[in-house]
Amino acid sequence: GAGVSQSPSNKVTEKGKDVELRCDPISGHTALYWYRQSLGQGLEFLIYFQGNSAPDKSGLPSDRFSAERTGGSVSTLTIQRTQQEDSAVYLCASSPSWTGTGELFFGEGSRLTVL
Amino acid sequence: DAKTTQPNSMESNEEEPVHLPCNHSTISGTDYIHWYRQLPSQGPEYVIHGLTSNVNNRMASLAIAEDRKSSTLILHRATLRDAAVYYCILRDWGAQKLVFGQGTRLTINP
Repeated sequence: GAGVSQSPSNKVTEKGKDVELRCDPISGHTALYWYRQSLGQGLEFLIYFQGNSAPDKSGLPSDRFSAERTGGSVSTLTIQRTQQEDSAVYLCASSPSWTGTGELFFGEGSRLTVL
Repeated sequence: DAKTTQPNSMESNEEEPVHLPCNHSTISGTDYIHWYRQLPSQGPEYVIHGLTSNVNNRMASLAIAEDRKSSTLILHRATLRDAAVYYCILRDWGAQKLVFGQGTRLTINP
């Protein structure tokens, strides 16, 4: 596809379960970002990848959150032992450039609901 | 990251121009001014960016004050589809991430 693809689009899980969210960036984009957006709130930066490395993990809210990127392409965000406060839309974006002029292309997001 | 200040909300009428203001008095010389918008139930989308000179593209125009302490996003002829939250963001040339504020919620009246 031409755009950033995220899956699942919706996920409902029980408190304490682990979840994996997947992001398929635009082909050739070296930079990949994860954000989350709680209901009615702004976007919160989580993590950034340049290639397969993550030079900036500063936004991950706790050690229950982790992310990896393989082959400079697909990325997976994993949330262990989910809590109700993890409920949010998780947005992935990719960019052809990591510099300040690079445009970010966002996916539609994965809506996570923790019961 | 340098901070931006935007009105929480604005209203305009369909087919009229819209001027969305953004103040960034602490902008540094290497900060680019980016605008993104987020339509309901969608991820943000890029609108425009600039450094010092005014910029135009198919979506909008960006007018940057001479001292760069403020800027204005101009939608020349608003449509109902322009109803969204508009984010004004400063991003240093070398910055690896984009930091979003609360943005301006734009309502377009038919």
